Amino acid sequence: GAVVSQHPSWVICKSGTSVKIECRSLDFQATTMFWYRQFPKQSLMLMATSNEGSKATYEQGVEKDKFLINHASLTLSTLTVTSAHPEDSSFYICSAREGLIAEAFFGQGTRLTVV
Amino acid sequence: AQSVTQLGSHVSVSEGALVLLRCNYSSSVPPYLFWYVQYPNQGLQLLLKYTSAATLVKGINGFEAEFKKSETSFHLTKPSAHMSDAAEYFCAVSDPGSNYKLTFGKGTLLTVNP
Repeated sequence: GAVVSQHPSWVICKSGTSVKIECRSLDFQATTMFWYRQFPKQSLMLMATSNEGSKATYEQGVEKDKFLINHASLTLSTLTVTSAHPEDSSFYICSAREGLIAEAFFGQGTRLTVV
Repeated sequence: AQSVTQLGSHVSVSEGALVLLRCNYSSSVPPYLFWYVQYPNQGLQLLLKYTSAATLVKGINGFEAEFKKSETSFHLTKPSAHMSDAAEYFCAVSDPGSNYKLTFGKGTLLTVNP
């Protein structure tokens, strides 16, 4: 299957700082990328959907000013957690898809800890 | 709106025993259905998918699932569990009315006892 690389795999940051997470499709063009958040022992919660060159579509309840998503190219999307707080600590996972009904491939996830 | 229900948040089997993980969905249109596996601190790996072709779908690692429209089910099975199968399993449905985004079930943790 296709490969999606997510970086970093873990990060620790101080409260009030911003953190950027990258999601890259290595061998295909990702027309659509998805960002999820996963709390311990829970399912994935979709945060936003981004199409290359367009603004991201955020799910209800997700603060777009806090979770900035950029999908500037067909192989890269970034999620920036701005002014991070301890409650933002979580496991963030991206997925990427080529075409409308193609299957989505997932990155390895990023464990964010805000101290 | 699409939804997925996974019956049993935790399933425990003995090594060599049958694995059965249950998934029921609700959808107003013919769905695309998926099973994913997640190992600790990792992303999701696709096990198999149903996209309106054969109702019995074979996936990786010996897993298979059967789409039953009359029961709105897509249960995952494996004849003989291995220790390496211990992981979290997620069933998901794709919503054509919403950019084919995935809606996940709550997951089922599979433990395999020696």
